[in-house]
Amino acid sequence: DAGVIQSPRHEVTEMGQEVTLRCKPISGHNSLFWYRQTMMRGLELLIYFNNNVPIDDSGMPEDRFSAKMPNASFSTLKIQPSEPRDSAVYFCASSPAGKGTREPQHFGDGTRLSIL
Amino acid sequence: GNSVTQMEGPVTLSEEAFLTINCTYTATGYPSLFWYVQYPGEGLQLLLKATKADDKGSNKGFEATYRKETTSFHLEKGSVQVSDSAVYFCALSEPGGSYIPTFGRGTSLIVHP
Repeated sequence: DAGVIQSPRHEVTEMGQEVTLRCKPISGHNSLFWYRQTMMRGLELLIYFNNNVPIDDSGMPEDRFSAKMPNASFSTLKIQPSEPRDSAVYFCASSPAGKGTREPQHFGDGTRLSIL
Repeated sequence: GNSVTQMEGPVTLSEEAFLTINCTYTATGYPSLFWYVQYPGEGLQLLLKATKADDKGSNKGFEATYRKETTSFHLEKGSVQVSDSAVYFCALSEPGGSYIPTFGRGTSLIVHP
């Protein structure tokens, strides 16, 4: 079975540019999560979708960050304009259930983002 | 709110040594407990889980027992290998509670030949 697919795997861009990260969750999973991982702050939840609807975006650092899920098989995380402090590994994860789940999350391999 | 506390790393061991990584949790209800492993350059992947008290999760020689009385879920392995070098995350998910799982900060394991 295909796992969670993220693209691109690596992105290097200059400060001020727009960055779009993409995620395809596992088919049939109705919960989707975006995380950011850095050495200093560890794993941080940015936003959570259930049935394509954003439920909790309290982890989104600021207005430069936005996320969408137009359908059950695709989500994007956009940073505009990007800044060097946004450099991190961004993970997408999905799981098969919503509230009250005993199911684990399934993570993609991440996008390593470097803002110069 | 819910929380997960893991021992600070890195944990450095020689090959074939015994491994314990401590994990304790606080939760308002009756959570499911998970251990995830993250190998270099990869995402987190489920290592094992337990859904009720006294359950033992096991996989790849790793084990953890859900201890409700001590609110703990310590990860153990009898003989580690160099290939076990990774970061290990303890996590909980509470049925009927928040949508969002709670993760510990991760413990780095380094195994030397």
